Amino acid sequence: NAGVTQTPKFRVLKTGQSMTLLCAQDMNHEYMYWYRQDPGMGLRLIHYSVGEGTTAKGEVPDGYNVSRLKKQNFLLGLESAAPSQTSVYFCASTKGLAQYFGPGTRLLVL
Amino acid sequence: GENVEQHPSTLSVQEGDSAVIKCTYSDSASNYFPWYKQELGKRPQLIIDIRSNVGEKKDQRIAVTLNKTAKHFSLHITETQPEDSAVYFCAASKGHTDKLIFGTGTRLQVFP
Repeated sequence: NAGVTQTPKFRVLKTGQSMTLLCAQDMNHEYMYWYRQDPGMGLRLIHYSVGEGTTAKGEVPDGYNVSRLKKQNFLLGLESAAPSQTSVYFCASTKGLAQYFGPGTRLLVL
Repeated sequence: GENVEQHPSTLSVQEGDSAVIKCTYSDSASNYFPWYKQELGKRPQLIIDIRSNVGEKKDQRIAVTLNKTAKHFSLHITETQPEDSAVYFCAASKGHTDKLIFGTGTRLQVFP
């Protein structure tokens, strides 16, 4: 099993550009999450999904959209990137309690 | 909503010494408390977790204690080794499938 994977690993965007981050898991987990990690601020939840076709807002949802069309995939979209969205983005999934994280996507918005 | 505070933000110890990291939570309904270790440039990895029906849990050199009355839980690492150097995060949730709320992390440095 690959576990949780994320693409891309690293991306540079200009302000106003759009992009989609992909998270995939092969563990048949129902629940998936997107976090951002900034220095000194820990991991903050952006959006999450409790099953295929469902999404919900987390702590810091503004400027992001998500979709869960297939159980194994959870997409995070930035419609118009801003420098404040420079961060490391982690996806995670769980079937119950323990969350398992992907390797992260480092995003730089200039 | 839930708020998790973590202390200290940095911790330096000599190899072989013990390290203790403390977290407090605000929501008395929280009942699941995991700890994650994150090495530089890597993903957070679950190292130990505890549920509210247990006061202490051990796994080799690491242990977690929970005080539900005071709403705090702690990570204890004994006989520290240089490879324990990392950032450690605590988190809390109200159980099955609820959102995890993370502390801000503790950077642990173990000096040989």
